Amino acid sequence: QVQLVQSGAEVKKPGASVKVSCKASGYTFTNYAMHWVRQAPGQRLEWMGWINPGNGNTGYSQTFQGRVTITRDTSATTAYMELSSLRSEDTAVYYCARDRGDGYNIRFDYWGQGTLVTVSS
Amino acid sequence: QSVLTQPPSVSGAPGQRVTISCTGSSSNIGAGYDVHWYQQLPGTAPKLLIYGNTNRPSGVPDRCSGSKSGTSASLAITGLQAEDEAEYYCQSYDSSLSGWVFGGGTKLTVL
Repeated sequence: QVQLVQSGAEVKKPGASVKVSCKASGYTFTNYAMHWVRQAPGQRLEWMGWINPGNGNTGYSQTFQGRVTITRDTSATTAYMELSSLRSEDTAVYYCARDRGDGYNIRFDYWGQGTLVTVSS
Repeated sequence: QSVLTQPPSVSGAPGQRVTISCTGSSSNIGAGYDVHWYQQLPGTAPKLLIYGNTNRPSGVPDRCSGSKSGTSASLAITGLQAEDEAEYYCQSYDSSLSGWVFGGGTKLTVL
């Protein structure tokens, strides 16, 4: 069965960076793009970016462009999301989500359990 | 402010039918991009409920259905049950933003 298991909660100071991992299993990792979505406390879901694990191509939301980097390790079937220059507003639960569909009409069919990142001085 | 607009809350008694709207624009729903719906229970990750405007993944009850028309989409849940109490989000692609977008979420309360 498809599983996405994320790394544990993090507490960071403003200005620092955080790197969250997402270990995939139960399917061929390189066949499906992986996205990152975040949710601040009591707020809506917010798409951050994606990676094609097969070729490493990435795309980022304009909101996070320049601060977010998504990478992957195909041998470890793991995707990573690194967010830099953290500020208090980045306190949120960060999810990885597998994509399914064609072109722009993709949906997120499997999600990780989420990783809480707290930014506090 | 979300690109896709949903009512903050809806409610209904057990057994009743509720609908949740998702209003977009010509750069997302109106441009023909598919709408998908997710259910999020408190403290858990979202779960795909409806994809491609009207399709249910296996395991989702047929009490849930989706529709789309023009720049809007709707999620309908019939025969409301206590377990349906959750937050619901719509999602689509936006060509102006060059990315995927979510609605602001709708809290469904079963009275």
